[in-house]
Amino acid sequence: QVQLVQSGAEVKKPGASVKVSCKPSGYTFTGHFIHWVRQAPGKGLDWMGCINPNNGGTKYAQKFQGRVTMTRDTSITIAYMELSGLTSDDTAVYFCARETSSFASGSFSDWFDPWGQGTLVTVSS
Amino acid sequence: QSVLTQPPSVSGTPGQGVTISCSGSSSNIARNAVNWYQQLPGTAPQLLMYTNNQRPSGVPDRFSGSKSGTSASLAISGLQSEDEADYYCAVWDDSLTGWVFGGGTKLTVL
Repeated sequence: QVQLVQSGAEVKKPGASVKVSCKPSGYTFTGHFIHWVRQAPGKGLDWMGCINPNNGGTKYAQKFQGRVTMTRDTSITIAYMELSGLTSDDTAVYFCARETSSFASGSFSDWFDPWGQGTLVTVSS
Repeated sequence: QSVLTQPPSVSGTPGQGVTISCSGSSSNIARNAVNWYQQLPGTAPQLLMYTNNQRPSGVPDRFSGSKSGTSASLAISGLQSEDEADYYCAVWDDSLTGWVFGGGTKLTVL
């Protein structure tokens, strides 16, 4: 079955960077965009951006521009999300998710399914 | 402040029905398909409804979705205890050129 497995929890100091990995299985890695969404403790979901594993093209949410870098390694079929300049506000669970697209009734639609299990990143001095 | 507005909480008793609203704007819901995600306590979100009203396989027909103008709704009938979760709407925003989520609605089954 299709699943995305993420790397383990991280504890970082303010100002540091963190790199989270997402390993999909059960489908062709280059056939679907991978998105990253984070969730601060007790808060809602916040879209960070996405990567096209086929060509490495990326799209980042404006609030993370300049701090986030999404990459992939097609040889080992893994996607990465690196966030720099960490502050306590970056303490959150980070999820990756596969995008699926469909064209029906004259329009495209997209959704995220499945999601990874999440990676807790704690930023603390 | 989320781009999409959802009620923070809704509740109902077993067997009852509830509706969760998601209010957006001309740059998102009015133009693009809405998806809904269910997040059970301590777990990752799961796709519950896609393209406004399509249920993934395995999702009971007690769940239904709709969209009209700049708003969307998720209806749940015959509430069960296992429906207790957080529910999020999501849609692509053409002005922001990015995905936006509602703030989430916590469903409590009394």
